[in-house]
Amino acid sequence: QVQLQESGPGLVKPSETLSLTCIVSGGSISSRSHFWAWIRQPPGKGLEWIGSINYSGRTYYNPSLRGRVTLSVDTSKNQLSLRVMSVTATDSAVYFCSREDEGSSRRDWGQGTLVTVSS
Amino acid sequence: QSALAQPRSVSGSPGQSVTISCSGTSSDVGKYEYVSWYQQHPGTAPKLLIYDVTQRPSGVPDRFSGSKSGNTASLTISGLQAEDEGDYYCCSHAGISYVFGTGTTVTVL
Repeated sequence: QVQLQESGPGLVKPSETLSLTCIVSGGSISSRSHFWAWIRQPPGKGLEWIGSINYSGRTYYNPSLRGRVTLSVDTSKNQLSLRVMSVTATDSAVYFCSREDEGSSRRDWGQGTLVTVSS
Repeated sequence: QSALAQPRSVSGSPGQSVTISCSGTSSDVGKYEYVSWYQQHPGTAPKLLIYDVTQRPSGVPDRFSGSKSGNTASLTISGLQAEDEGDYYCCSHAGISYVFGTGTTVTVL
């Protein structure tokens, strides 16, 4: 069973770049059957899909975040990364790492990591 | 892309059935058989209940069932139990992205 573990700084200053990583265990990030995604949830609010990436680096992004977000994979470390540029308070959220089955809507989740944007 | 519309809250007594709707468009729910449902308790990650409109992962009780008609998907919880209290979210493929629902809080009276 795949396990996903997010990590990164819990506090980021406004206008700076938020960077998170997700270590994948129990599965290979080089799998051709999956996409790897980031989803976030502001405190007390709903879920928002940020984007996804596959083993070859093919990416899809939420149109509302396009231009500020970059996803990448490191197959040697079996991990994926998220960068969100020019953050504001509205980027404060729990960020979840997720594995999407290609050709299906099945999804596995990490436990999430809280990021607060504040000076 | 706009969030899929869900009722803010639904409630029922133990043993009753409740249904949560998830209204989208012909570009997401109506177009793809890739609708999923999640249950979330406070402070935890969402748990997959239903995927591909009607499929249940192993370990999910058959009290949970999914369906779709046109641009609206539905999750039905039959035989409501106290542990079913929580927040529920739908999610649909939307071409090159995914869109989540606004979320529904289920209360067991």
